[in-house]
Amino acid sequence: EADIYQTPRYLVIGTGKKITLECSQTMGHDKMYWYQQDPGMELHLIHYSYGVNSTEKGDLSSESTVSRIRTEHFPLTLESARPSHTSQYLCASSDGSVPNEKLFFGSGTQLSVL
Amino acid sequence: GDSVTQMEGPVTLSEEAFLTINCTYTATGYPSLFWYVQYPGEGLQLLLKATKADDKGSNKGFEATYRKETTSFHLEKGSVQVSDSAVYFCALSDWGRRALTFGSGTRLQVQP
Repeated sequence: EADIYQTPRYLVIGTGKKITLECSQTMGHDKMYWYQQDPGMELHLIHYSYGVNSTEKGDLSSESTVSRIRTEHFPLTLESARPSHTSQYLCASSDGSVPNEKLFFGSGTQLSVL
Repeated sequence: GDSVTQMEGPVTLSEEAFLTINCTYTATGYPSLFWYVQYPGEGLQLLLKATKADDKGSNKGFEATYRKETTSFHLEKGSVQVSDSAVYFCALSDWGRRALTFGSGTRLQVQP
């Protein structure tokens, strides 16, 4: 059902590398989100966007940055990865307005920084 | 502020057992309530929702009733299957909030 795609699924990199996690959706949704999921499964909102050229930081402080140049694309970038960035990153988009919106999630990117 | 509290897991059940996963919430307004499910290796997907008090959401044999008096939205299923093994997240959405507020997740393991 979900038409939201994340690449890569798994990424293992060394400390100090620059990385970009890709997220694309084909549903035309204006709202998009990035969540960080810790090993205990809890989800933390790190970035969100309400449309093109609109990005905001979420509840959890993150060293990552995002951009929204096109409606369908919402990449997340880490300029210099560290072991503390090791986590599961989930991208989502929304089909409506608070409080009745439904979130569609990608399958996630599992990032491991050595 | 808004918050969601779920029972801790893992919850381990035998196939065909009755399931309850407790969820309570705190909100300043009149939120909508959701259950999302995350199967192994996948992202979350919406399982069911309720948008006002006394509403019952249901899907795939799961159901939950929005109880305003007890601020609860407990997930239930009469007979679980091995394929129900997953992590279940309770969530709320409230006016003025920028995104869903999720609980910490409850892992369910169903044994044959």
